[in-house]
Amino acid sequence: DAGVTQSPTHLIKTRGQQVTLRCSPISGHKSVSWYQQVLGQGPQFIFQYYEKEERGRGNFPDRFSARQFPNYSSELNVNALLLGDSALYLCASSFFRLGTGEQPQHFGDGTRLSIL
Amino acid sequence: GENVEQHPSTLSVQEGDSAVIKCTYSDSASNYFPWYKQELGKRPQLIIDIRSNVGEKKDQRIAVTLNKTAKHFSLHITETQPEDSAVYFCAAPTVYQAGTALIFGKGTTLSVSS
Repeated sequence: DAGVTQSPTHLIKTRGQQVTLRCSPISGHKSVSWYQQVLGQGPQFIFQYYEKEERGRGNFPDRFSARQFPNYSSELNVNALLLGDSALYLCASSFFRLGTGEQPQHFGDGTRLSIL
Repeated sequence: GENVEQHPSTLSVQEGDSAVIKCTYSDSASNYFPWYKQELGKRPQLIIDIRSNVGEKKDQRIAVTLNKTAKHFSLHITETQPEDSAVYFCAAPTVYQAGTALIFGKGTTLSVSS
């Protein structure tokens, strides 16, 4: 079975632009989470989506938004890009179900976003 | 919310030695603790996890121990090999609205020299 797939793999943007990153979860996984990983640090939680609804949001500004589609794939959008948004953006999917507790999260290869 | 502290930040061992990485967490309600290995330029890969109803879990050369009272958990790698060289992250869950998220430690860079 295919793992979590993300596109594009690399992206270069300039300050003020907007970007959309895409993620397809592992088949059967309905939960998708987005993380930002700055060089030299651990991943930092941005969003969790489950059954097309936002279930959690980390400490990120409103410039960050996301959505989940009926096929459980997801998009992360970032508006008004800043230099500090340069990072590896990781998507993770899991077999999360409400009321069943934490499930293992499996990461995609990420999108490396560079802001010039 | 959850806070995860990880140490050491770097660890250098000789091939064949053991390596131990320790993490502490703050939320006593946390009940699931995964460890991820991230090689340079690659995705974090889940290598082992433990739930709070057990104290230890092993998978070949890798083991994780959990002390709920002290709120810390550790990764043990025995008979280290050069291919074990990578950054290792521990994590613990925190509840956000109607879902959960993983809170990661800052990572440990393990270097295994032959």
